[in-house]
Amino acid sequence: KAGVTQTPRYLIKTRGQQVTLSCSPISGHRSVSWYQQTPGQGLQFLFEYFSETQRNKGNFPGRFSGRQFSNSRSEMNVSTLELGDSALYLCASSPDLSGRTGELFFGEGSRLTVL
Amino acid sequence: AQSVTQLGSHVSVSEGALVLLRCNYSSSVPPYLFWYVQYPNQGLQLLLKYTSAATLVKGINGFEAEFKKSETSFHLTKPSAHMSDAAEYFCAVSASGGYNKLIFGAGTRLAVHP
Repeated sequence: KAGVTQTPRYLIKTRGQQVTLSCSPISGHRSVSWYQQTPGQGLQFLFEYFSETQRNKGNFPGRFSGRQFSNSRSEMNVSTLELGDSALYLCASSPDLSGRTGELFFGEGSRLTVL
Repeated sequence: AQSVTQLGSHVSVSEGALVLLRCNYSSSVPPYLFWYVQYPNQGLQLLLKYTSAATLVKGINGFEAEFKKSETSFHLTKPSAHMSDAAEYFCAVSASGGYNKLIFGAGTRLAVHP
């Protein structure tokens, strides 16, 4: 069974640009979550999608958005990039419908560098 | 509100020695607790989880953790460290009503030396 696939793995952008990151969950998983990982703030929850609906959102500005498609693939978008957006963005999928078991399967991440 | 504190951002042990990584939590509801491991340039992998069944939880790669409600702790242990255990370890708690929202600790980087 293929794991969680994130693309691109690495990207470099300049301030003010926007970026779209993609995540393909494990086949059959309908929940997709996104996390931001930085040395200073650690791992922080961005949002979670289930059946194309955002069902939870973290404490990030509106520049951060996401969506999920009918095939469960998800994208997240960051507009008007700032230097502080440089981070590893991790996508995780889960087979759990209730959402409380916390058994997340993570991709290898997309490393974004903002210059 | 839930929170997690990991004591010690870096831990160094000798190969074959006991590994002890400390985690304390705060939760207003019975917590679901997890340990994840992250190897360099990779995503996170679930080591083990506590979901209110047995208080001693066994995970992959010989790791185990004990849930102690009185101490609000969920420390991770392994009797004998192996070089391949070198990685960063994260303790996490499931946010109440948070579906698949996990609140992570700051992480502990484990170094294993010969």
